[in-house]
Amino acid sequence: QKEVEQNSGPLSVPEGAIASLNCTYSDRGSQSFFWYRQYSGKSPELIMSIYSNGDKEDGRFTAQLNKASQYVSLLIRDSQPSDSATYLCAVNRVPAGGYNKLIFGAGTRLAVHP
Amino acid sequence: DTEVTQTPKHLVMGMTNKKSLKCEQHMGHRAMYWYKQKAKKPPELMFVYSYEKLSINESVPSRFSPECPNSSLLNLHLHALQPEDSALYLCASSQESRAYEQYFGPGTRLTVT
Repeated sequence: QKEVEQNSGPLSVPEGAIASLNCTYSDRGSQSFFWYRQYSGKSPELIMSIYSNGDKEDGRFTAQLNKASQYVSLLIRDSQPSDSATYLCAVNRVPAGGYNKLIFGAGTRLAVHP
Repeated sequence: DTEVTQTPKHLVMGMTNKKSLKCEQHMGHRAMYWYKQKAKKPPELMFVYSYEKLSINESVPSRFSPECPNSSLLNLHLHALQPEDSALYLCASSQESRAYEQYFGPGTRLTVT
């Protein structure tokens, strides 16, 4: 079982719709969760971080965390063609020695069509 | 300012060459990271520096040699690379090694011929 799992997609949604991206993780000790957006040929850009159960909203983006189910999601409202990218879910794991290590999922490719 | 810069943007090198990748941040972050990313794959952690000391080496071959001259700079020295080392090399930084939000630079696209 991979530590962080995402559906690779592509997830295709029409412009203006809600895009729902999902992620599950295996380490119950994980405390911090992130969503990165990566355009083709570019570097990952941090768009959301969430640390406690529930929802966190930032503009058109809402991150949802359910630690009991080991599940993280990202909702994008009013999707735009410019949202078309790969979305990477990342989970913090603190290995021996206490240093921060991000474990990335394989990413979900989102395609928003006009 | 949340910018991490990397030079060069692109690098083509032969298997006998020696080259270096550079990364710089001026956010006062005390942890810096090197990642390698192959096409259609997530970033893979290579090295972590915390307060200018190497904290994590993810069993990276010795042909990759990291260096942290000061808290703002991170280098990756390359020597005797293989074609399979061709990838996007990403630098990231965070406030400190126990902090979680990492910010990535634009990357260096490396091609080994």
